[in-house]
Amino acid sequence: ETGVTQSPTHLIKTRGQQVTLRCSSQSGHNTVSWYQQALGQGPQFIFQYYREEENGRGNFPPRFSGLQFPNYSSELNVNALELDDSALYLCASSLDANQPQHFGDGTRLSIL
Amino acid sequence: EDQVTQSPEALRLQEGESSSLNCSYTVSGLRGLFWYRQDPGKGPEFLFTLYSAGEEKEKERLKATLTKKESFLHITAPKPEDSATYLCAVRTSEETSGSRLTFGEGTQLTVNP
Repeated sequence: ETGVTQSPTHLIKTRGQQVTLRCSSQSGHNTVSWYQQALGQGPQFIFQYYREEENGRGNFPPRFSGLQFPNYSSELNVNALELDDSALYLCASSLDANQPQHFGDGTRLSIL
Repeated sequence: EDQVTQSPEALRLQEGESSSLNCSYTVSGLRGLFWYRQDPGKGPEFLFTLYSAGEEKEKERLKATLTKKESFLHITAPKPEDSATYLCAVRTSEETSGSRLTFGEGTQLTVNP
């Protein structure tokens, strides 16, 4: 069984640029959540998608947006990048909203 | 607002020296408490889910317990390969937040041979 896969693994951008991060959920999982993890901290919830609809959002500005596709894969888009956006971005999928979330290994985003 | 606090921030043990990690939480409507293990450069790896006070789960050298205000992760006779950051998270029933997880900042465990 293939787990959650994320791409790319590392990315370097400059302030003001835009970035798209991708996530393939575990087979059969219809719920995808995105988290931001700063160095030395726990993950912070960005938003969740269930069957292609946004199903909850954390305290992140609108320049953080996402999509979920019919095959349940997902994208996280961040516009107008800021230095504080440097972090590990984690994607997690689950069978449904009541099941445990399983994480990918993340994308390390560095903003110069 | 949901809050999760983990202690200690860091813990060093000798191989075989048992100990416990603490996770205290303040939430409205708990729908599950989760323990994850995170190795450097990796995503969190799911360990346990606990749903109600008094519940216990075990896996190898790890045992997780839950009360109404906190959870403990007991590590019995740890080995160097148990070294990792252990994260605690809660899931609550807020309608606007889906099934979000609120994480603590983790306990960094080092087990020396």
